[in-house]
Amino acid sequence: KAGVTQTPRYLIKTRGQQVTLSCSPISGHRSVSWYQQTPGQGLQFLFEYFSETQRNKGNFPGRFSGRQFSNSRSEMNVSTLELGDSALYLCASSLDPGWNTEAFFGQGTRLTVV
Amino acid sequence: SQQGEEDPQALSIQEGENATMNCSYKTSINNLQWYRQNSGRGLVHLILIRSNEREKHSGRLRVTLDTSKKSSSLLITASRAADTASYFCATDDGTASKLTFGTGTRLQVTL
Repeated sequence: KAGVTQTPRYLIKTRGQQVTLSCSPISGHRSVSWYQQTPGQGLQFLFEYFSETQRNKGNFPGRFSGRQFSNSRSEMNVSTLELGDSALYLCASSLDPGWNTEAFFGQGTRLTVV
Repeated sequence: SQQGEEDPQALSIQEGENATMNCSYKTSINNLQWYRQNSGRGLVHLILIRSNEREKHSGRLRVTLDTSKKSSSLLITASRAADTASYFCATDDGTASKLTFGTGTRLQVTL
């Protein structure tokens, strides 16, 4: 069974640009969550999607957005990139949101903003 | 924001020794999960313990949960060099797939 796949693995962007990251969850998993990991703030929840609907959102500015497709694949977009957006972005998939379900993570996308 | 903290922040042991990491959290939880991360790569799921469970085992891993103290511990027995990584605990409150992570423990296992 394939794991969670994130693309691309590495990305370098310039301030002011926008970026789209992709996540393919484990087959059969319908919930996809996104996290940002930085040395200063640690692992922070961005948002969660289930059945193409955003169910939960973390405390991030509106420049961070996402969506989920009917096949459960998800994308997140960051517009008007800032240097502080440099981070490892991790995607997690789970069978159903909440109750006693494990969340499995992908390898992450390392975004560097210069 | 972080749910809580992990203790110690860093731990260095020799191969064959046991490693114990502790996690404290602030609010009521539904589940607590432990993850391993190697050098800024993805998180590897280790074990999930439910709020009504007190102890769980998986191979060389033993996890305990004390909801009255809002704390959990992860014990790795007979450690190996390959166990060198950062370990995180993560909690959820059962309402959605939002996980709140601890600050992590960096474990170094030397030969």
